[in-house]
Amino acid sequence: GENVEQHPSTLSVQEGDSAVIKCTYSDSASNYFPWYKQELGKGPQLIIDIRSNVGEKKDQRIAVTLNKTAKHFSLHITETQPEDSAVYFCAAVGSQGNLIFGKGTKLSVKP
Amino acid sequence: DAGVTQSPTHLIKTRGQHVTLRCSPISGHKSVSWYQQVLGQGPQFIFQYYEKEERGRGNFPDRFSARQFPNYSSELNVNALLLGDSALYLCASSFYGGAVETQYFGPGTRLLVL
Repeated sequence: GENVEQHPSTLSVQEGDSAVIKCTYSDSASNYFPWYKQELGKGPQLIIDIRSNVGEKKDQRIAVTLNKTAKHFSLHITETQPEDSAVYFCAAVGSQGNLIFGKGTKLSVKP
Repeated sequence: DAGVTQSPTHLIKTRGQHVTLRCSPISGHKSVSWYQQVLGQGPQFIFQYYEKEERGRGNFPDRFSARQFPNYSSELNVNALLLGDSALYLCASSFYGGAVETQYFGPGTRLLVL
């Protein structure tokens, strides 16, 4: 079935360091890959997305890379700040246009 | 500009009862999707509606149903509640519900079944 695997499940970094979260997906037909940040008690907030016609996209301190051949995509956060602490979810589009989410990565940025 | 809104924010029910959750999409968006998020997991797809028609359905029992109104708002209904239905129910909206469209999530309704 359609599946997205996400690693690591928890990630702790020092303020100013970089953080990398990796995901793999099963459906080769997927062509849209968003990343969401979810803070405690809130709904997921889109932080960046990538479509399959590009391999990399950057928005200030956040970047996403996509390798369609390997069915991998990754989130890179540079110069992390305490306010980056949250749960991050990757997702891929399924056959019904729905989002299939990974299980999430809890990022902790220590001051 | 208001984002996706959901009501109520919290709800407590007992087993066997039914519940109705409501969602208003971003103005101009015609598609609404519902997701269930169990604690510690990623959201799981329940339904997608576009122009009042069901466009997609996830792997949930028939106790779950939904509808979309002419103003594009939506309701999710769950009958015969089970303890395992306790979760955060999220609504997401997009313009057309297309496969490469961004989906914007509301704050969710937290349901506790006792």
